Parts: sequence; structure tokens; C-alpha cells
Amino acid sequence: DTGVSQDPRHKITKRGQNVTFRCDPISEHNRLYWYRQTLGQGPEFLTYFQNEAQLEKSRLLSDRFSAERPKGSFSTLEIQRTEQGDSAMYLCASSLAQINTEAFFGQGTRLTVV
Amino acid sequence: KQEVTQIPAALSVPEGENLVLNCSFTDSAIYNLQWFRQDPGKGLTSLLLIQSSQREQTSGRLNASLDKSSGRSTLYIAASQPGDSATYLCAAQGGSEKLVFGKGTKLTVNP
Repeated sequence: DTGVSQDPRHKITKRGQNVTFRCDPISEHNRLYWYRQTLGQGPEFLTYFQNEAQLEKSRLLSDRFSAERPKGSFSTLEIQRTEQGDSAMYLCASSLAQINTEAFFGQGTRLTVV
Repeated sequence: KQEVTQIPAALSVPEGENLVLNCSFTDSAIYNLQWFRQDPGKGLTSLLLIQSSQREQTSGRLNASLDKSSGRSTLYIAASQPGDSATYLCAAQGGSEKLVFGKGTKLTVNP
């Protein structure tokens, strides 16, 4: 297993378009997290799944954002009607559902909304 | 609500120097604290995880300590090298399961 994989690595889209990102976690990991990072800031929590169940969503997460993990394996994050403020690095992480377990991150998807 | 602060925001040192990065958190009820490295435009690489019951963890030239009662963790880097130049992030994990990050310390090691 090569770690957490994210696709695409970069995405440029016009304002108002919908975009979808994919994350493939480490195969045995049942927890999957999405974070957003803007320049000069630490990653900000968006949502997380345990298996296929979405257990928490940030109150900061707009209704335009939706995430799924249909079979408890890969996950998708969709942003509808993108805005310039959505421009950021979107990071995915996975871990085992245990206390004191490391989270491993992917390389991220850089979104630019023009 | 957990808040994580990292000081300094940026640090520049000559090669070979030993250095300490600081991380503080407001809620001491954490399960663990994790240190990450981030290169420009890249994702995060896990460096060390310290469990709440531990005082420190070591990996090569890196040593991380944790003092839950005072809400502090430090990352010690020995004999720094230019390849250590990156942003270092700490993250606290508590009962809500999510990691709460600081803004990071940008380290530059000059040859």
C-alpha cells in the first residue's frame, strides 16, 4: 500500500462550477478525514467518516459542500457553485479507529477558483 | 473548544544548530499530540505521535515531548540540516476524534 492517494492534484475551475475530489485511504484504515488549508494557516477540519458513516461535519462547512464514502473505502468531496473563497488545498487523511493512532495525509488537491 | 498555538511562526538557523519548536494547547483532555512536516505545496508527513500517557517520543534526530498539565509540547531537532527546511505543524486529538492544528512554524536551515 502506497499511502493516502488524492486525485486530482490540481484543479482550476471557473466560479459557479461544481468540482469533485477523490481520496483513497490506506486500505485497512476505517477512519477518513477531510481538511482544508489556506495559505499560512494550519489545516482546518471539514468532516470525517468511520467506515461509510459520516460522524461529524464542521459547522463552518457550507451547504455547498458534500462528502460521501459509499462503501467505506474511497471518499469524494464535492463543492457546488464554487466561489473564489473556496480556493485552498484540500487534504485527506486516514487512520485506524483507535485511540492513539497516527493519521496519515495525502498530497492534497490544490483548488483554484477563477 | 481546543485551540493550538505554535511559536515562533518562523525560524531561521544556521546548519548544525539544535533547535526547539513550541506548541501549546488549551484543552489538556487530549488522547495524543502529533507532529507533522509540510513541504511547500505538499501534503503533511507524520513525524511523531505522542500518546497522552507518554512524556516523549524520539525518531532519529527528532525528539518530541508532551506536558499535558501545562498544555505544551516541544519538538527538538538536533544538528539541523538544510533538508530540514519546511513548515512544522502540531495537532492535538481529543474526544471529538478530529485533529486540531496550529498554524505551524516555518523553519529555514541555512547552509
